[in-house]
Amino acid sequence: DVKVTQSSRYLVKRTGEKVFLECVQDMDHENMFWYRQDPGLGLRLIYFSYDVKMKEKGDIPEGYSVSREKKERFSLILESASTNQTSMYLCASSGAFSGETQYFGPGTRLLVL
Amino acid sequence: AQSVAQPEDQVNVAEGNPLTVKCTYSVSGNPYLFWYVQYPNRGLQFLLKYITGDNLVKGSYGFEAEFNKSQTSFHLKKPSALVSDSALYFCAVRDRTGRRALTFGSGTRLQVQP
Repeated sequence: DVKVTQSSRYLVKRTGEKVFLECVQDMDHENMFWYRQDPGLGLRLIYFSYDVKMKEKGDIPEGYSVSREKKERFSLILESASTNQTSMYLCASSGAFSGETQYFGPGTRLLVL
Repeated sequence: AQSVAQPEDQVNVAEGNPLTVKCTYSVSGNPYLFWYVQYPNRGLQFLLKYITGDNLVKGSYGFEAEFNKSQTSFHLKKPSALVSDSALYFCAVRDRTGRRALTFGSGTRLQVQP
């Protein structure tokens, strides 16, 4: 079974803090993704990576950055957390074939105070 | 640009009755289409996908979906609903030649009453 793990299920941070969310997959997938989920808006893509050290902006990259130094690990960084970044963050991975299924981690619920 | 519409925020159905969760999409080329389910405080679980071939796709837990190109729809169906099917359902699309990421609908909450 594909396993995607995220470093924290729940996180509480203060405005202005630098926040790191980690995601690890064990299926040697080329593609990794970060989404945020907000009620009524579905999932929106923040960033994705199709190879080590390669990344592309998604639909809402402002205020975020990412890092992929190893194939299995994809980090999302909130440079200076703000209250409007309070959300559920979901990581996913998939193989290289264009019709590959994306597999999701359990999510990190982030609260910024 | 690609987009997905799930016109119903919530669908209510009695246990044992058939259920349908609607999804329409817009892509510039031919689509890949997916359905995912999310239980409370959990990540998304894959249900089924349409890649090519037979328009009727069967997936996990007795769910199926029909790809209708002329109506640009991919509705999720199940012949007999269970209370345990109550969850949030997401439809997603990607263009075969476009970016690798999926575009998701806003989600439909399915409530199955005993």
